[in-house]
Amino acid sequence: GAVVSQHPSRVICKSGTSVKIECRSLDFQATTMFWYRQFPKQSLMLMATSNEGSKATYEQGVEKDKFLINHASLTLSTLTVTSAHPEDSSFYICSARVGVYEQYFGPGTRLTVT
Amino acid sequence: DQQVKQNSPSLSVQEGRISILNCDYTNSMFDYFLWYKKYPAEGPTFLISISSIKDKNEDGRFTVFLNKSAKHLSLHIVPSQPGDSAVYFCAATLNSGNTGKLIFGQGTTLQVKP
Repeated sequence: GAVVSQHPSRVICKSGTSVKIECRSLDFQATTMFWYRQFPKQSLMLMATSNEGSKATYEQGVEKDKFLINHASLTLSTLTVTSAHPEDSSFYICSARVGVYEQYFGPGTRLTVT
Repeated sequence: DQQVKQNSPSLSVQEGRISILNCDYTNSMFDYFLWYKKYPAEGPTFLISISSIKDKNEDGRFTVFLNKSAKHLSLHIVPSQPGDSAVYFCAATLNSGNTGKLIFGQGTTLQVKP
């Protein structure tokens, strides 16, 4: 089956620093990847759609200058949280689109900003 | 504006019995529905899906039922096993525009007791 990896799985950073999270499709090419954020005991909230070779499409209310997304190849998308603050602490999950409807998800990255 | 709702935050079932997880949606244009299972600190894993042109899809112990007139779908797990204990998310998508975006419900935590 389709495997999606994320790195790192867990990161702690100081307020004001930037953090990059990588999302890779391991055994297939993904022209479209998605980035989600999940708060404790809440649903997955779509942040942005990442298309290979083009600019990401951000959902309403998501600051594109704060959450930089780059999809430079068919197997890699990156999310950079710039000037992180404690309120950015969350569980970030990426997914890769497979076929028309289905998405395969990465294992997630726990970000803690101190 | 929660377009996909899972009104039961939790469900507890005895091993061997049936688990029924429910999901309601408001947008009649949704054309595909998916169920995902998620363990803590992991990404969701795909379980089963159904097209809006069908009313039932079965895969082993998992069956999804769709009632379009009621805008309601349910996931049946029979027989339930302790390993099924997890958070279950339903998701819906629109193929129009070919965005591939999934809209998730809030999730239902299933506990299967031995």
